[in-house]
Amino acid sequence: GAGVSQTPSNKVTEKGKYVELRCDPISGHTALYWYRQSLGQGPEFLIYFQGTGAADDSGLPNDRFFAVRPEGSVSTLKIQRTERGDSAVYLCASSPKPGGDYNEQFFGPGTRLTVL
Amino acid sequence: QKEVEQNSGPLSVPEGAIASLNCTYSDRGSQSFFWYRQYSGKSPELIMFIYSNGDKEDGRFTAQLNKASQYVSLLIRDSQPSDSATYLCAVNGGGGADGLTFGKGTHLIIQP
Repeated sequence: GAGVSQTPSNKVTEKGKYVELRCDPISGHTALYWYRQSLGQGPEFLIYFQGTGAADDSGLPNDRFFAVRPEGSVSTLKIQRTERGDSAVYLCASSPKPGGDYNEQFFGPGTRLTVL
Repeated sequence: QKEVEQNSGPLSVPEGAIASLNCTYSDRGSQSFFWYRQYSGKSPELIMFIYSNGDKEDGRFTAQLNKASQYVSLLIRDSQPSDSATYLCAVNGGGGADGLTFGKGTHLIIQP
C-alpha cells in the first residue's frame, strides 16, 4: 500500500516568511509524528498526534512552530517568521498503534526546507 | 535529558563479514528500541525493533538488547555492499512518551 507522503519535497523560502509543510500518513494509522533532521544528526522529535489532538508537543523549539491535524489524518506543520536555523529536513512518520510503548514508526520522504 | 549514543564511524567491513553496530541509551525507563537504515539523501527505513532482553533475528539482521547495561546492538551477517548506509538507533521513552529519541547514527561501509 501507499506509504507516508509529504509535500512539498523541497521548499526554499526567505528569512521571515511563513511556510506550511504537509504530511499524509499511511491509511488507518492513528498516530502521526513530526521530526526534523539536520545534516549529520539523527531525527529530532517535534510533536506527536493521536487522532486530532497533539498528545505531546514538547519537542517544538519555540512558539513559531505549530502543527495541526484537524480530521485525524493529514497534518500540517506551520512555521512562522522562518529563520536560517530552521533549515533542515522535516520528516513525518506514522504508526498503526494507538499509542503506548510498542509503536513502530514509518517515515515519509521528508521535506527539505531551506531558509535563505 | 534522554540521550542515545552511537559511534559515528565510518565503520568499514569487508563484504561477507559480520557488521556489528552498537548503541547505548541513558533513560532506564526506555521500553522499546528500533534500528533504522538511512541511505544518503533518503528518509529512515525501519529494519528491526526489539522490546525484550535477548536476541531477535530477522533474516541477516539480529538485534540484541541488554536493559541492565542499557545497551542495544545490531548485527548484520553476510554483509553486502547494498548494506552501506547510516544506521540510526532509536529509543522510545515509554510511559506515554511516544516520540523517538535518535542517536546520530553510524556510517557503515561494506567494502567489496
